[in-house]
Amino acid sequence: DARVTQTPRHKVTEMGQEVTMRCQPILGHNTVFWYRQTMMQGLELLAYFRNRAPLDDSGMPKDRFSAEMPDATLATLKIQPSEPRDSAVYFCASGTRVYEQYFGPGTRLTVT
Amino acid sequence: DQQVKQNSPSLSVQEGRISILNCDYTNSMFDYFLWYKKYPAEGPTFLISISSIKDKNEDGRFTVFLNKSAKHLSLHIVPSQPGDSAVYFCAAITQGGSEKLVFGKGTKLTVNP
Repeated sequence: DARVTQTPRHKVTEMGQEVTMRCQPILGHNTVFWYRQTMMQGLELLAYFRNRAPLDDSGMPKDRFSAEMPDATLATLKIQPSEPRDSAVYFCASGTRVYEQYFGPGTRLTVT
Repeated sequence: DQQVKQNSPSLSVQEGRISILNCDYTNSMFDYFLWYKKYPAEGPTFLISISSIKDKNEDGRFTVFLNKSAKHLSLHIVPSQPGDSAVYFCAAITQGGSEKLVFGKGTKLTVNP
């Protein structure tokens, strides 16, 4: 049963610290998405990649967020420095078509 | 500006009855619509979808209706079961366009035994 995995599942950190979230997409999926879920905004797309190339990161605050795919089995989302308003659940999803997305379980980030 | 709106944050129904979840959109370029279901501590999972060339799509207990003129879609669950209790997200996309799914904020459905 192929699944998207995300680590860590939970992260509590202090304001100003660097946070790195990792995602392993389903093998064979060439498109990877990063979403953020908050009560106020719902599910927002932060960035997505196809064949490891970034296609759109317009949803990401550029000054502090960065997303990369070092290889086909790993996607990372980094926040530096983190702020309390970054507290949210971050989801990674993978697929072969944009409207067929398989979500990971999410990373719940709390920034104090 | 929310392009996909789910105006009911929550809905409560009795087991065996019909659940109707609603979704409105503002972008007339959207031509494919999806519903995702999310349990606590899990990621959303795909439930059902509909293309704008149709006005109804059915899969077992789940039916999605699309009214393009009203820019409105709804998800019907009949009969509702306690296991259907979850948050339901509506999403929309323009195929061949920006390739980005736009999600609503979700509706929390509670099915009471």
